[in-house]
Amino acid sequence: AQSVAQPEDQVNVAEGNPLTVKCTYSVSGNPYLFWYVQYPNRGLQFLLKYITGDNLVKGSYGFEAEFNKSQTSFHLKKPSALVSDSALYFCAVRVGTGGFKTIFGAGTRLFVKA
Amino acid sequence: EAGVVQSPRYKIIEKKQPVAFWCNPISGHNTLYWYRQNLGQGPELLIRYENEEAVDDSQLPKDRFSAERLKGVDSTLKIQPAELGDSAVYLCASSSGTDVGGYTFGSGTRLTVV
Repeated sequence: AQSVAQPEDQVNVAEGNPLTVKCTYSVSGNPYLFWYVQYPNRGLQFLLKYITGDNLVKGSYGFEAEFNKSQTSFHLKKPSALVSDSALYFCAVRVGTGGFKTIFGAGTRLFVKA
Repeated sequence: EAGVVQSPRYKIIEKKQPVAFWCNPISGHNTLYWYRQNLGQGPELLIRYENEEAVDDSQLPKDRFSAERLKGVDSTLKIQPAELGDSAVYLCASSSGTDVGGYTFGSGTRLTVV
C-alpha cells in the first residue's frame, strides 16, 4: 500500500538551532513529494516539492528538504529555527497514474523554544 | 489574487441535521479537492473534481455525503444526516491540472456535531 510516515508526533528545538522533521514514504514508481505547513485555524500552506533533479530542494521561509531514494525519505530541514516556525508540518506524496491523488502523513508538531 | 475561499468557517449542528460547505477555488484552477482532517491527523481525500466531473470519489461516504461542482467552478459538499463522527475540519483545495505543484488550500470549515 502507498503511504507516508512521519515517525515523530512532536519535535522540540531551541531557537537558532537546526531543525529536522522526518518523513518516509512507500510508493510504487517515482514519487512526487511535498511538505506543507499548517498554522492554528488555517489551511495547509505549500512549502516545497521534489519532482525530479537535485535531491536537495529549497522552499519557502528558509526551509529545505532532502530526497533520499535509497532510504525512501524526504526530511524537512532548516539551518536556524525561529519561534515563528512553530506549527504543524505535513509530508505528502502524490500517487496514481494521473498523478493527482495526494496522500498526507499524520503530521509533526514543531515547537521552537525561545 | 484571492485564495481558495471556504464558508462557513465554523458550524455547530445537532446530529441527524443536514449541513453544507461551500468552496470557491482559485480562478483558473480546474482541479478541486475536498479533504477531511480529523483532530491530530493528516487530511484525507474525500473527492476530486476535474472541472465539473468527479473523477475520484472512492473515499466519499456516499450514503450521507454528496458533492457537486456545477459549471466547474464553485463546489458544495453536503452531509445529510450528520453523525457525531463527522466532526472534523473540511478542507477545500485547488490546483491547475497542468502542473505538479502544491495545492492551494482554503482555511477550512470546522464542523462540530453535537
